[in-house]
Amino acid sequence: ETGVTQSPTHLIKTRGQQVTLRCSSQSGHNTVSWYQQALGQGPQFIFQYYREEENGRGNFPPRFSGLQFPNYSSELNVNALELDDSALYLCASSLSGIYQETQYFGPGTRLLVL
Amino acid sequence: GQQLNQSPQSMFIQEGEDVSMNCTSSSIFNTWLWYKQDPGEGPVLLIALYKAGELTSNGRLTAQFGITRKDSFLNISASIPSDVGIYFCAGQLGYGGSQGNLIFGKGTKLSVKP
Repeated sequence: ETGVTQSPTHLIKTRGQQVTLRCSSQSGHNTVSWYQQALGQGPQFIFQYYREEENGRGNFPPRFSGLQFPNYSSELNVNALELDDSALYLCASSLSGIYQETQYFGPGTRLLVL
Repeated sequence: GQQLNQSPQSMFIQEGEDVSMNCTSSSIFNTWLWYKQDPGEGPVLLIALYKAGELTSNGRLTAQFGITRKDSFLNISASIPSDVGIYFCAGQLGYGGSQGNLIFGKGTKLSVKP
């Protein structure tokens, strides 16, 4: 186990709704990255949070937003859900200093949008 | 966006066989990583490579960081049933922010020969 936890494990929403996913980073880690993994694909980078600020973003629209808290845990929020948002959402924690060290993944939250 | 070409897409193994898979990219990466993902779980780090030409082993697994920095391979020797799963390569362009995010291949699915 990596020590990265995510909640909830599964979620069903309808199109147009909003969702919040949560991630607790591994002890000692200060950076959280979020990824979206569609069925049969590799994970795609959404964004990264470091010191409570967004520190890099992939090719995702603004309706994907996030937060990082002082204890380094993080939330991913998705507004105006679309059917294509159905996926496994993974968070990964790492330690960043001069360099960002290896990322360790949580078990993911599987989101189904109907 | 950036893409990694991972091959083969799938393969069948018989216990005791050696397995090879590889990833290529049009971009130069500073780090190559190999992850394994089991159904319903997040990717688990197998091997991380940080220098061009580096050859690293983890038990029966061996991976190499290509000299051109644009490719990597993973070998599994004497496969066992628990090796089944999906293996992902991932590259990292830099060391933080949008450069520190992981770019994944589409995965190689290992199954047991019927």
